[in-house]
Amino acid sequence: DTAVSQTPKYLVTQMGNDKSIKCEQNLGHDTMYWYKQDSKKFLKIMFSYNNKELIINETVPNRFSPKSPDKAHLNLHINSLELGDSAVYFCASSEMGEKLFFGSGTQLSVL
Amino acid sequence: DQQVKQNSPSLSVQEGRISILNCDYTNSMFDYFLWYKKYPAEGPTFLISISSIKDKNEDGRFTVFLNKSAKHLSLHIVPSQPGDSAVYFCAARKYDYKLSFGAGTTVTVRA
Repeated sequence: DTAVSQTPKYLVTQMGNDKSIKCEQNLGHDTMYWYKQDSKKFLKIMFSYNNKELIINETVPNRFSPKSPDKAHLNLHINSLELGDSAVYFCASSEMGEKLFFGSGTQLSVL
Repeated sequence: DQQVKQNSPSLSVQEGRISILNCDYTNSMFDYFLWYKKYPAEGPTFLISISSIKDKNEDGRFTVFLNKSAKHLSLHIVPSQPGDSAVYFCAARKYDYKLSFGAGTTVTVRA
């Protein structure tokens, strides 16, 4: 039973499209995150929610909109996809301030 | 501006020998440091951590050393095993709980 699961694992789409990535955790954690791993392999935080409330919002284009319907789910919606959005997106969860548990990632390719 | 740096992108070591991975950071506000391990097509998994009030933490074959004055930490794996072949990320955290990651070091353990 996967602790942090995200779907889809692979996403190939055209520029200008709108797409969503879903994430669910069954660890009972209060905090969830979206990280982006860019072409240089750095993992950079994008957003964090604590109990459905946005607590971290890094400098991310407003085409990216996270949504947390409940504390076990954090989805990422991306509007008007651009070539530079191609990356691996990781969802993660934790108790506040504790170690992160990551999902297996979503490889997004924008053509 | 990368605040956590792993200057060695790769490391090759013979099975049974010691693997030493290095990490440097620039922000003196970091108070907690973590190492994550990542296999291909999987998310990073937590390996070991150390608080800034300590200089060493050991867990089985894994030991992390912290030199605050040098803003440097290292991960020792002894003895190295084939299953240790993976990408290792160093991460550092401030009071705001944001994790800053290095670019990773790919470890290959040769039989």
